Amino acid sequence: AAGVIQSPRHLIKEKRETATLKCYPIPRHDTVYWYQQGPGQDPQFLISFYEKMQSDKGSIPDRFSAQQFSDYHSELNMSSLELGDSALYFCASSSTITSEQYFGPGTRLTVT
Amino acid sequence: LAKTTQPISMDSYEGQEVNITCSHNNIATNDYITWYQQFPSQGPRFIIQGYKTKVTNEVASLFIPADRKSSTLSLPRVSLSDTAVYYCLVGDFSGSARQLTFGSGTQLTVLP
Repeated sequence: AAGVIQSPRHLIKEKRETATLKCYPIPRHDTVYWYQQGPGQDPQFLISFYEKMQSDKGSIPDRFSAQQFSDYHSELNMSSLELGDSALYFCASSSTITSEQYFGPGTRLTVT
Repeated sequence: LAKTTQPISMDSYEGQEVNITCSHNNIATNDYITWYQQFPSQGPRFIIQGYKTKVTNEVASLFIPADRKSSTLSLPRVSLSDTAVYYCLVGDFSGSARQLTFGSGTQLTVLP
């Protein structure tokens, strides 16, 4: 079965640079979520989109922005990167039929 | 969102049944109880969800007493591959705000 696809899987950036993470949800899933998991930490919710509209906002820094496109894929844009942004970034998707969220493999971002 | 409390870690041996209990004293009427499993550097994976009494699927069972202030995830006959972090989450996942709020999970280590 098709799963959530995230790209790139690994990304290395320097401080103050920008990064764009992409997420392709499971077909026919209408909701996308972004989570950040720092080293040794639990996943923290960043932001979610339902039918291409932002539906909820968590602990997402102002330096980050995200959107969901007409084909339902989503992008997380991160600017002025800081060392503390180094983390695993997970995208998850779900449908209105079930609340179960399906997570992607994650993008490991390293800021040097 | 109801706060959850679960053990930080548990050890078990292969072939044993493992029960992980989660306390959620402030659970609301519309809240469901959901458990996710996470392997290192992978996205969390849905295990089971329930509202009351007992729910069973091919992976686990979830026991919820009548007062719903706690729940127990039961993993039958664990194997080494069940070593992971297990998260108990409580929320109204049927609503529009369905983001997952992860607390501190339980690190289960299965020993040979």
